[in-house]
Amino acid sequence: DIHMTQSPSSLSASVGDRVTVSCRASQSISSALNWYQQKPGKAPELVIYSAASLQSGAPSRFSGSGSGTDFTLTISSLQPEDFATYYCQQSSSVPFTFGPGTKVDVK
Amino acid sequence: QVQLQQSGPGLVKPSQTLTLTCAISMDTVSSPFAAWVWIRQSPSRGLEWLGRTYYMSNWHHDYAVSVKSRITISPDTSKDQFSLQLNSVTPEDTAVYYCAREDRGTNAYSPWGQGTLVTVSS
Repeated sequence: DIHMTQSPSSLSASVGDRVTVSCRASQSISSALNWYQQKPGKAPELVIYSAASLQSGAPSRFSGSGSGTDFTLTISSLQPEDFATYYCQQSSSVPFTFGPGTKVDVK
Repeated sequence: QVQLQQSGPGLVKPSQTLTLTCAISMDTVSSPFAAWVWIRQSPSRGLEWLGRTYYMSNWHHDYAVSVKSRITISPDTSKDQFSLQLNSVTPEDTAVYYCAREDRGTNAYSPWGQGTLVTVSS
């Protein structure tokens, strides 16, 4: 199985901050990388697919980049509704494994 | 837009079978553009992919190695829903279970069901 790691495991930020979350795959996955946002008590929601494509309905302040083994999710200007946990997921080979998550909370 | 509605019991006794159903609205379980997935989430294991089913000339199934001997994911074309059966459960199977739609082009999951907390306890 492909192992996914994320850094940091948590971060504290303020509204308006630029936030960056990193994800690394244990082997090359090309651009087969998705990002999900999860709020407490809710199901995850897709934000970015195929490393850099913005999911329909997701705010344009979210962007993704990377290929191969290293990926980044960026929130250009953090909004109050963005405080949540973010997960990366590889979709290169079954099982489509998830990272452990990065919690973004209020500074 | 596609919606998924989960149903099933929240409490299962050890050694028994966990059964959950995911009803699909505004899509069909036989869609050539989708696969239908079960995922669970627990504090100890995080988000864990369990398996999927999809139709491509015939029905296909993929299962996680960790549960392969105990899991069945079954499509129901008459009701446009799919189900998860997990046999011989133990307390380690306690988790929030989610169904989701996988886009066959991108392999990304959207939407997800609302989640069902399943507790394995006597």
